[in-house]
Amino acid sequence: QVQLQESGPGLVKPSETLSLTCTVSGDSIGSGSHYWGWIRQPPGKGLQWIGGIYYSGATNYNPSLKSRVTISVDTSKNQFSLKLSSVTAADTAVYYCARRVIVVANSPYFDYWGQGTLVTVSS
Amino acid sequence: QSVLTQPPSVSGAPGQRVTISCTGSSSNIGAGYDVQWYQQLPGTAPKLLIYGNINRPSGVPDRFSGSKSGTSASLAITGLQAEDEAEYYCQSYDSSLSGSIFGGGTKLTVL
Repeated sequence: QVQLQESGPGLVKPSETLSLTCTVSGDSIGSGSHYWGWIRQPPGKGLQWIGGIYYSGATNYNPSLKSRVTISVDTSKNQFSLKLSSVTAADTAVYYCARRVIVVANSPYFDYWGQGTLVTVSS
Repeated sequence: QSVLTQPPSVSGAPGQRVTISCTGSSSNIGAGYDVQWYQQLPGTAPKLLIYGNINRPSGVPDRFSGSKSGTSASLAITGLQAEDEAEYYCQSYDSSLSGSIFGGGTKLTVL
């Protein structure tokens, strides 16, 4: 059974960097069979794809967040991480990590999700 | 504002059939990219309901079905049950954004 678990601070000050880690069990990031991604959901609002990473370190990001986002991977720990810099109150959201199924020449999708972690940006 | 457009809410009585639409454009659904549907129960993470337009993951009841035509897709739920009350999101890929996109979500109320 594949499981993902987000971890990191629940409160971040404005202008600082949000940092989260996703620990994967039941699958190996290093196997290269899937991509891995981050999605967020502001309170009471819809889902927004943040970006994703492959075991090799190849990444792709939502253009609207690209200048502030860094996603990295540590295959030895079976983890991948999210950093979002210069945060504001608009970045307050539940952050989910998810396994992203690769579909050649078509739309990838997310088949396993973490439970999500609420990150509040406030001084 | 989401790239994929969904109605904010739909409702139906137990046992009835409801559909939720998802409208895109020529850079996503209309370009041939598949559509997925997710169900989000209150306070929980989204759960994959339909992938590749019409496919159900193991464990998803066949009361849920998906379809796609042109620049739109639909999720149909038959034999509505109280436990179906949730938020539903469509998702696809957009070639202009080079990334995954979601609809704004539809709140299903079982009357």
